Amino acid sequence: AQKITQTQPGMFVQEKEAVTLDCTYDTSDPSYGLFWYKQPSSGEMIFLIYQGSYDQQNATEGRYSLNFQKARKSANLVISASQLGDSAMYFCAMRELYSSASKIIFGSGTRLSIRP
Amino acid sequence: EAQVTQNPRYLITVTGKKLTVTCSQNMNHEYMSWYRQDPGLGLRQIYYSMNVEVTDKGDVPEGYKVSRKEKRNFPLILESPSPNQTSLYFCASSPSSQGNQPQHFGDGTRLSIL
Repeated sequence: AQKITQTQPGMFVQEKEAVTLDCTYDTSDPSYGLFWYKQPSSGEMIFLIYQGSYDQQNATEGRYSLNFQKARKSANLVISASQLGDSAMYFCAMRELYSSASKIIFGSGTRLSIRP
Repeated sequence: EAQVTQNPRYLITVTGKKLTVTCSQNMNHEYMSWYRQDPGLGLRQIYYSMNVEVTDKGDVPEGYKVSRKEKRNFPLILESPSPNQTSLYFCASSPSSQGNQPQHFGDGTRLSIL
């Protein structure tokens, strides 16, 4: 069965430092996609970055990068040079790409707070 | 503007009074889904639809119904709401049920069942 685990309920980081948000997953499907979303205090869900299970390189999008370790089933989000606007809830999610179920599951989230 | 629109944004109602939360997308997406968000639990999928007239249960479907008569609309129905359905609800869509397309989310509906 699919499962996503985010073990850090909350984190505090100094502005301009890099931060790593942990995400581990479990699936029996060899083909899957991993997503990270940001939810600011205003409540909307913002897509940040995607990693496919067969992608050879770690995904990057601006200040966001994904530290994908397939053998360890981890897909940690790295935010470089954190900014005050990065304070938000962050969710890791997984979709089994070729499963007929097409369910999408989310982790419980990590609340990131950036200190000035 | 490409968007997913949910209504209402906020609703306070009483136990047992049927309610419908509407969801509409203007991107011609095939895949639509409903989630509820509760503190410490993240988002949990209630129902999803891979196309018109195709719906399936997510992880927490009890107490909810959906329909997909048109591609753009995917309403969530609570036939007899109970206080444990008090939550923040999100509708989302993506071009298909496969591939690397991220979901587009609505702004959320905060339901309080008294």
